[in-house]
Amino acid sequence: NAGVTQTPKFRILKIGQSMTLQCTQDMNHNYMYWYRQDPGMGLKLIYYSVGAGITDKGEVPNGYNVSRSTTEDFPLRLELAAPSQTSVYFCASTKGQGTYEQYFGPGTRLTVT
Amino acid sequence: DAKTTQPPSMDCAEGRAANLPCNHSTISGNEYVYWYRQIHSQGPQYIIHGLKNNETNEMASLIITEDRKSSTLILPHATLRDTAVYYCIVRVEDAGGTSYGKLTFGQGTILTVHP
Repeated sequence: NAGVTQTPKFRILKIGQSMTLQCTQDMNHNYMYWYRQDPGMGLKLIYYSVGAGITDKGEVPNGYNVSRSTTEDFPLRLELAAPSQTSVYFCASTKGQGTYEQYFGPGTRLTVT
Repeated sequence: DAKTTQPPSMDCAEGRAANLPCNHSTISGNEYVYWYRQIHSQGPQYIIHGLKNNETNEMASLIITEDRKSSTLILPHATLRDTAVYYCIVRVEDAGGTSYGKLTFGQGTILTVHP
């Protein structure tokens, strides 16, 4: 049981490039989340999903897109990367309604220059 | 979700109890208090949660005041590995499920455990 896995661990992008951050969970969780964390700050919710085919915006969705075609995977797409997207990105999951503990992945550290 | 207020930093000696306070004076009746921690750049880790009653698990104890406007997370015997940022989060848990488990993180308390 690997839990929540994220790839890559590190990435450097040039301004205007695009990339996809991968997130996979093997716990059969229905709810999945993407957060970003800027230096010295708490995590902010970008997007979330309550099941395959269902996604919704969080607090800071601009510049990102998501899809959820399977229960296990929840990729985050960055289009036209900007320096403001330099951050650490965390994916998380939880079983669903009525459950309390979110499980987080190890994070992806992204630098846009 | 109700906002929370935590001290920016605290120190604790190894082997002593660490008591981390959190104020949530605008908490509503259906909002739970959650604690997570983040050890140096890792993903956050769930610690404990509660509604009204005090709670204890293998990691920590959670004490919630009777008026529910504040709470304290207690690590009974702090070790160096407990050095981390601790987040107090208040979250609605509604039967309709419209909160969808979303978490709102503040800046937390940096707990440093000294030898």
